Amino acid sequence: SQQGEEDPQALSIQEGENATMNCSYKTSINNLQWYRQNSGRGLVHLILIRSNEREKHSGRLRVTLDTSKKSSSLLITASRAADTASYFCATRNRDDKIIFGKGTRLHILP
Amino acid sequence: GEEVAQTPKHLVRGEGQKAKLYCAPIKGHSYVFWYQQVLKNEFKFLISFQNENVFDETGMPKERFSAKCLPNSPCSLEIQATKLEDSAVYFCASSRVGYSNQPQHFGDGTRLSIL
Repeated sequence: SQQGEEDPQALSIQEGENATMNCSYKTSINNLQWYRQNSGRGLVHLILIRSNEREKHSGRLRVTLDTSKKSSSLLITASRAADTASYFCATRNRDDKIIFGKGTRLHILP
Repeated sequence: GEEVAQTPKHLVRGEGQKAKLYCAPIKGHSYVFWYQQVLKNEFKFLISFQNENVFDETGMPKERFSAKCLPNSPCSLEIQATKLEDSAVYFCASSRVGYSNQPQHFGDGTRLSIL
């Protein structure tokens, strides 16, 4: 089974609303990262949260990590049209393997 | 350079032909990673290099796929005797340090279409 499963698979919200995406994983991790992929482009690193951290902020992004539940969430506040993209979580486990999830496709409606 | 550069952007090959993709990592980055993304889904790890040495090749198919990172040359990923299922976008990423808390910097990918 896949380490790093995002949910929902797709999300459409109105501009200005908040968007929340979740990621679950199965094994112990060193850190968890969130990336964004715009259509036709490569991944862009957004934020990294270490296994001993519970919450991290970067601009309009807020990431939480619950290692007891093996889950993370990415919150984008006050969404904009430019936030339309796919968002992927990636986990680094104790063997330093990095594994990407299948992504959440976020569509911001004008 | 300041960005990971992948060439070509698009590559079309007939089934059974060879395909070769190139990646120039960011200057100063020692680690290079190759991923395969099918149908905009998950990124499947293929292989990583530390400079010109293979670091982790656990994701590479045993047959037909090979990769190199030679000094003073772009890294390359080569697929021999391509199959329809090889159609995907192949991404290259680089990082200054390999397996740590450093993020990976991705190129924009090469879209490989096998007809």
